[in-house]
Amino acid sequence: DVKVTQSSRYLVKRTGEKVFLECVQDMDHENMFWYRQDPGLGLRLIYFSYDVKMKEKGDIPEGYSVSREKKERFSLILESASTNQTSMYLCASSHRGGTNEKLFFGSGTQLSVL
Amino acid sequence: GQQLNQSPQSMFIQEGEDVSMNCTSSSIFNTWLWYKQDPGEGPVLLIALYKAGELTSNGRLTAQFGITRKDSFLNISASIPSDVGIYFCAGQVGFGNEKLTFGTGTRLTIIP
Repeated sequence: DVKVTQSSRYLVKRTGEKVFLECVQDMDHENMFWYRQDPGLGLRLIYFSYDVKMKEKGDIPEGYSVSREKKERFSLILESASTNQTSMYLCASSHRGGTNEKLFFGSGTQLSVL
Repeated sequence: GQQLNQSPQSMFIQEGEDVSMNCTSSSIFNTWLWYKQDPGEGPVLLIALYKAGELTSNGRLTAQFGITRKDSFLNISASIPSDVGIYFCAGQVGFGNEKLTFGTGTRLTIIP
């Protein structure tokens, strides 16, 4: 069974801390994405990557960075966490090519910044 | 970035009822997708639509790609308890690697 695994289900951090959210996929997918999910706002794209060492800004990249050193792993970094970054973070991956942009999602990391 | 507006934001229905929800955009999309998120999980793709006017079913679910290409609709017939969750539409302007734009979500609750 194909899988996207997010390292933590719940995280509690303090304002100003550096936070790492890790995501690993076992499907050999080229594309990986980070979204945040907030009630009433749906899913908003933070960053994405189409290949190792590649990264592109999504719709709300401010306050975040990413790292893709290996094909299967995509990390989201909050350089200095703030309370407005309290949210559910979802990682996703997909196979490049074709017209079928099917995303496979992880179960999410609920981050609380105090 | 642009967002898709979903309606209604939440629904409370009784088991056995039919459900309708829709998604609208101010701009044209060439692909429409519908996802469902079960409580505590990530979204899972339900239906993909690629052509204006297309009507596609997946069991009790039926989705339509609006003819203006600015909207899409999802219907669920004879709802059951496992239909509970959040339903998201998503649109794609281009094809292939083009990123998706997600809707604001419709939360479905079934009243016992």
